[in-house]
Amino acid sequence: DSGVTQTPKHLITATGQRVTLRCSPRSGDLSVYWYQQSLDQGLQFLIQYYNGEERAKGNILERFSAQQFPDLHSELNLSSLELGDSALYFCASSVKGGGANTGELFFGEGSRLTVL
Amino acid sequence: GQNIDQPTEMTATEGAIVQINCTYQTSGFNGLFWYQQHAGEAPTFLSYNVLDGLEEKGRFSSFLSRSKGYSYLLLKELQMKDSASYLCAVHSGNTGKLIFGQGTTLQVKP
Repeated sequence: DSGVTQTPKHLITATGQRVTLRCSPRSGDLSVYWYQQSLDQGLQFLIQYYNGEERAKGNILERFSAQQFPDLHSELNLSSLELGDSALYFCASSVKGGGANTGELFFGEGSRLTVL
Repeated sequence: GQNIDQPTEMTATEGAIVQINCTYQTSGFNGLFWYQQHAGEAPTFLSYNVLDGLEEKGRFSSFLSRSKGYSYLLLKELQMKDSASYLCAVHSGNTGKLIFGQGTTLQVKP
């Protein structure tokens, strides 16, 4: 158990709909990262938040947005869903927000999204 | 740009040794990580290299050459439970994010 909690574990929805994925980082971790993993694909970095502020952005679609709240949990919002958005969405956390000795990321179990 | 390459698949025999290679080209370098991921599960941390050389941790070792942009993960005394994907990832900037390669799927056969 990494200490990172993600909900829901599984989600099935229809094209055009909107969903929200939730992540609680490890106790004491200030950074939250979101990754997407499609079938047979590597982990694609979406976005990072550090202590409530956006820290880095990857190839995140405009239909997707995220935020980190004062209690440090984060939510990833996916809207106007398409079939291609079906994937495993992982949240990870770390103590620091960057620089040398940031250390490893600790991953949650993921949220499996299926868009029909 | 940033590019991380690993073989897609490898097969090895139980009890043997296998080496999984990773080459990278990134803007900046703050360390290289190896993660293990079983199908449908979370990636779990295996090793971290920031200086050149070999880091040994039980049956797993990882090597880094920064001048060559090259790393490998060495798995000894393979067990069936080692069948998984092995992900090479580079920490290249000041933000903490890791850039991952596509992963190498290792199948251990009896």
